[in-house]
Parts: sequence; structure tokens; C-alpha cells
Amino acid sequence: AQTVTQSQPEMSVQEAETVTLSCTYDTSESNYYLFWYKQPPSRQMILVIRQEAYKQQNATENRFSVNFQKAAKSFSLKISDSQLGDTAMYFCAFTTPQGGSEKLVFGKGTKLTVNP
Amino acid sequence: DAGVIQSPRHEVTEMGQEVTLRCKPISGHNSLFWYRQTMMRGLELLIYFNNNVPIDDSGMPEDRFSAKMPNASFSTLKIQPSEPRDSAVYFCASKVLGTGSYEQYFGPGTRLTVT
Repeated sequence: AQTVTQSQPEMSVQEAETVTLSCTYDTSESNYYLFWYKQPPSRQMILVIRQEAYKQQNATENRFSVNFQKAAKSFSLKISDSQLGDTAMYFCAFTTPQGGSEKLVFGKGTKLTVNP
Repeated sequence: DAGVIQSPRHEVTEMGQEVTLRCKPISGHNSLFWYRQTMMRGLELLIYFNNNVPIDDSGMPEDRFSAKMPNASFSTLKIQPSEPRDSAVYFCASKVLGTGSYEQYFGPGTRLTVT
């Protein structure tokens, strides 16, 4: 079965500091795509960052970067210079295109609070 | 550009009533997904369509749930009869097939409360 585990139900960080959210996944496929989505209180799901499994270089989007460890099936999200607007639920997800199925498998989420 | 549009944003109904949720995908997107989000189960895929054809409905909880996509710009998720345990946020998402870009774009969700 394909699963995503986010072991930190809640985290908090001070404004301007750095925080890392953990994610591990399980799949037998070799080709897949990983994502972090942000869900603020407005409940809109917003794509934060994506990583292709075949790429060794870790993806970066401004203050957001990932640490992708394929052998360990780990995909953590680092948020640098945290801002109050980063307060949200963060979901790790992946999809495996094999067999034509492109559905996303989500973790349970990590609730991040950025404190002033 | 308009994103994924869902209506209504909020729905409150009584047990036993029929509920219809609506979704308009992003123009040009040909893959559409319906998800349900609850505290207990998180985000679950209910069903998805490629080119208006249902591909995988294994996540539909029971026969009370049905989904249609009559054309490329409209989909519905119907619950009949509704039950209190159906209370959740229902998301619609869309994407483009076959571009090598697998991220899905989500609508704002419909919060359903069944009393």
C-alpha cells in the first residue's frame, strides 16, 4: 500500500526562525512525484513545492526548500525566515503515474504555528 | 485566470436530504478529482475523471454517493440520502493530463454539515 506519514501533528516556531517538517512515504514504484501543500485557515489548498523522484537536486522555492532522501523515502520541508502568514496545516503528498493513475496520496498533516 | 470553482461554499442540510456539490475545473484541464477531508481520516480521494470518464471510484464510500462529469467544464458530486457522518469539507481539484506536471490545483472546498 502507498502511504505517507507525517510524524509531527503540531509544531510551532518563532517568527524569522527556521523550521523543518518531516515526511516519510512508502511506495514500490521508482518514478513518482512529491509535493507539499499548505492549507491556511481559509482552507484553500495551496501548492508550496514539488520534487520529481528522478531528480537528485533538492527543490527550492524562495524560503521553502526540501530535503529529499530517496533511499530513506524521506521528504522534509524546511521553511526559512518564518512569517506569520506561514501559519497553516502542511500536507505532504505523492503521486505515482504508473498505470495511468495520478491520484495524490496525502499524509495526515502538520499544524504549524508561527509565533510573533 | 480563474481557478477551480466550487459551489456552494457552505451547505447545511438535514439527514435524509439530497445534496449536490458542484465543480468547474480550470479551463483546459482534463483531469478532475473529488476529495473529502475530515479530522479523523484526513484527505481521501473519492473519485477522479480523465477526459470526463470516471477512472477510479474506489474511494466512494457507498452507493449513496455518485459523481458525474457531463462535460469538460462541469462535475457534480451527489449524496442521497445524506447522513451526519457525511459532514466534511469536499474538495475538487483539476490538472492537465500528460504534460509531466503532476500537481493538482484545488478549489476552495465545500463545507457540508448534515444535521
